[in-house]
Amino acid sequence: AQSVTQLGSHVSVSEGALVLLRCNYSSSVPPYLFWYVQYPNQGLQLLLKYTSAATLVKGINGFEAEFKKSETSFHLTKPSAHMSDAAEYFCAVTSWGDDKIIFGKGTRLHILP
Amino acid sequence: NAGVMQNPRHLVRRRGQEARLRCSPMKGHSHVYWYRQLPEEGLKFMVYLQKENIIDESGMPKERFSAEFPKEGPSILRIQQVVRGDSAAYFCASSPPQRRAAKNIQYFGAGTRLSVL
Repeated sequence: AQSVTQLGSHVSVSEGALVLLRCNYSSSVPPYLFWYVQYPNQGLQLLLKYTSAATLVKGINGFEAEFKKSETSFHLTKPSAHMSDAAEYFCAVTSWGDDKIIFGKGTRLHILP
Repeated sequence: NAGVMQNPRHLVRRRGQEARLRCSPMKGHSHVYWYRQLPEEGLKFMVYLQKENIIDESGMPKERFSAEFPKEGPSILRIQQVVRGDSAAYFCASSPPQRRAAKNIQYFGAGTRLSVL
């Protein structure tokens, strides 16, 4: 069975500060990992994905994430937060041969002016 | 190039009524997934369908819920005799013909927000 834990249901950062959203996964098989972003009243948009290639993955809007097998983590970072980054972020896991994606509970990111 | 279209965006039903949620996948996509998002929760997988076939319904409640993806037309998620606990956002996603989720990104619609009075 696979699962994802996102630490912190709400995270607040100042505009221009580093964004760090934490995600830890559990998987008995090699995982494929995703970060999705959800803006209010919209669907989910893929930010980035890890599928067993490079461990440092770059995504859209300046976000990146690093797969660390030893720590079972896939934290999302962005060097400098913008007001437009305010949204809910979901970490998700699946594996090769599986059709469903398992989502974390989400972290709502607040950007302080 | 239209994305995944869901309608209605908002649906209000009284207890005991039926709710029908529609999902038109992206052009060229033949795989559809339904997820439910409860308040303060992440998305939970419900069902995976291909045209005229249910592939995986392990996340569907055993009663009152059903899904279809006919040869022609949108995928339908149907909830009979709705109860207050069914109030949630229901998201549809689609992917291209290759089957594996890890290879095929799932593209999400904007969701249908169901409110049961």
